Amino acid sequence: DTEVTQTPKHLVMGMTNKKSLKCEQHMGHRAMYWYKQKAKKPPELMFVYSYEKLSINESVPSRFSPECPNSSLLNLHLHALQPEDSALYLCASSQGARAGAVVELFFGEGSRLTVL
Amino acid sequence: DAKTTQPNSMESNEEEPVHLPCNHSTISGTDYIHWYRQLPSQGPEYVIHGLTSNVNNRMASLAIAEDRKSSTLILHRATLRDAAVYYCIPRGNAGKSTFGDGTTLTVKP
Repeated sequence: DTEVTQTPKHLVMGMTNKKSLKCEQHMGHRAMYWYKQKAKKPPELMFVYSYEKLSINESVPSRFSPECPNSSLLNLHLHALQPEDSALYLCASSQGARAGAVVELFFGEGSRLTVL
Repeated sequence: DAKTTQPNSMESNEEEPVHLPCNHSTISGTDYIHWYRQLPSQGPEYVIHGLTSNVNNRMASLAIAEDRKSSTLILHRATLRDAAVYYCIPRGNAGKSTFGDGTTLTVKP
């Protein structure tokens, strides 16, 4: 099993809504990542969790709130988003980030978010 | 993070080799060079990585310059399924992978 599963695949929400994106992996990986990708642009790193603790926050606005309940799950809670937050949100996992430079990232297919 | 420079786009004919270059002149001595590709409507997928020596796997080969300031991803026989955006990513121990703009590869039948 080498999959990273993201749900939902598509999400439409209003600017006052609260929603969550979910990511799950069962590869025993101890590092999990959120990336944001706008159309025809490269993925941009948002957050990194290492051993269930937030290790990197790339100065993401507080309307995005990550959560790592356990080593297999990663959530991204969304509140009061703006239309410019519409993008593909990608989750990835890897062996512990302490392994650093050599580890392979495994990506999910992403959740496409539209904010109206 | 080391900056990377890749051609915006490249074209190849099916069944022919493709050489995708990447400049990473500010790479640190301990950064590995990773390559990922992103097929349409999919998340990125790992292709290959290396430090100093050339590397081969079932997907591709990676040739790294002796001064490590550049590398080349080699697809030995391009297929239509290799059409994707290819990203070269220097990666250090902080666990961060910063994607550059990548190269869009078009494969013509």
